[in-house]
Amino acid sequence: RKEVEQDPGPFNVPEGATVAFNCTYSNSASQSFFWYRQDCRKEPKLLMSVYSSGNEDGRFTAQLNRASQYISLLIRDSKLSDSATYLCVVTTSGTYKYIFGTGTRLKVLA
Amino acid sequence: DAGITQSPRHKVTETGTPVTLRCHQTENHRYMYWYRQDPGHGLRLIHYSYGVKDTDKGEVSDGYSVSRSKTEDFLLTLESATSSQTSVYFCAINGGPDEGYTFGSGTRLTVV
Repeated sequence: RKEVEQDPGPFNVPEGATVAFNCTYSNSASQSFFWYRQDCRKEPKLLMSVYSSGNEDGRFTAQLNRASQYISLLIRDSKLSDSATYLCVVTTSGTYKYIFGTGTRLKVLA
Repeated sequence: DAGITQSPRHKVTETGTPVTLRCHQTENHRYMYWYRQDPGHGLRLIHYSYGVKDTDKGEVSDGYSVSRSKTEDFLLTLESATSSQTSVYFCAINGGPDEGYTFGSGTRLTVV
């Protein structure tokens, strides 16, 4: 089993739709969690950290469920510019090494 | 944007030749990382550094070596390139475990 798993998609959604991605992790000692966005042929860029209490940044909401060992990303009112691959990232306590999921591809359609 | 640059951006090399990729940062961060990204595998850690002359292996370190003689530079060397090392290589830095990585723009390496 991979340490971090994501549905590869693609998720094809119309503009204005709400879409949610989940990411599961296997190590219960995981400490920090992030969502990254990666555009085609570009480097990953930090979208948002994921906090235990959940956090929101504009149209984006991230949540953590430690009991079930998953994190989620909700995008409301999808824009064409949201089309990208979204990477789930997990770190383990006591290490600076990050474990990346393989990403979920989102296509927002006009 | 954070000061991290990679060079070269693109390289084509022949099997069996040595190749060195460079990562340069101006953020004075202690931690630097080399990842490779391949379809179906995502980003995989090759080596990382936690200080000058302090490096350690990641999950896919075979065939790669690294050096860090200065805080700002982290070099990745393929001693004898193979076709399986054709990939996109990303360097990353971070200032702390809760801060997230900042990535360089990547090096697209093709071994023919």
